Amino acid sequence: GQQVMQIPQYQHVQEGEDFTTYCNSSTTLSNIQWYKQRPGGHPVFLIQLVKSGEVKKQKRLTFQFGEAKKNSSLHITATQTTDVGTYFCAGREYNFNKFYFGSGTKLNVKP
Amino acid sequence: NAGVTQTPKFRILKIGQSMTLQCTQDMNHNYMYWYRQDPGMGLKLIYYSVGAGITDKGEVPNGYNVSRSTTEDFPLRLELAAPSQTSVYFCASSYSDRQETQYFGPGTRLLVL
Repeated sequence: GQQVMQIPQYQHVQEGEDFTTYCNSSTTLSNIQWYKQRPGGHPVFLIQLVKSGEVKKQKRLTFQFGEAKKNSSLHITATQTTDVGTYFCAGREYNFNKFYFGSGTKLNVKP
Repeated sequence: NAGVTQTPKFRILKIGQSMTLQCTQDMNHNYMYWYRQDPGMGLKLIYYSVGAGITDKGEVPNGYNVSRSTTEDFPLRLELAAPSQTSVYFCASSYSDRQETQYFGPGTRLLVL
């Protein structure tokens, strides 16, 4: 069945350092979404990628969708303490109405 | 708009008890989802619905039931609570399969003892 693997599980960085989390799917995806969950909170939608090779930016966040539509990454430039939280990817297969979430990458930023 | 609301926020159940987790959305979304999140883990889809009267199983449906009699409400029923169902439960909704942003509720923390 569909599996979405996400690495690393944890990342501790000094404020100002960069951060990247990677998502890999066992099957080709229709689209992929990224969410952020603050400690004790609920997931909040960040972005959706649909096209092969797509790159989208949101201020210091850069999202990429692989050419084969089986992998994706989220890169944060110059992390800030407000970036603390767990970042999840969620992939959707073609012809299915459900998303499979990765296990998340927990980011801790030391001031 | 209140968005997606869930009740209760927290509940303790004894093994074998039953309960219903409530989820309501006021965004006129067609799609609704129930996820569970175990500590330090990602979200696992329990059930989902693409419209009133239509529901389907997700990855981990055993031990749960759902119904969707209206567009707004999507309750999740636990019939015989087990310790393995201790988790945080999130309800989410989205407008359609083309506008798929999922809006999550605040979650229900369930402890089964």
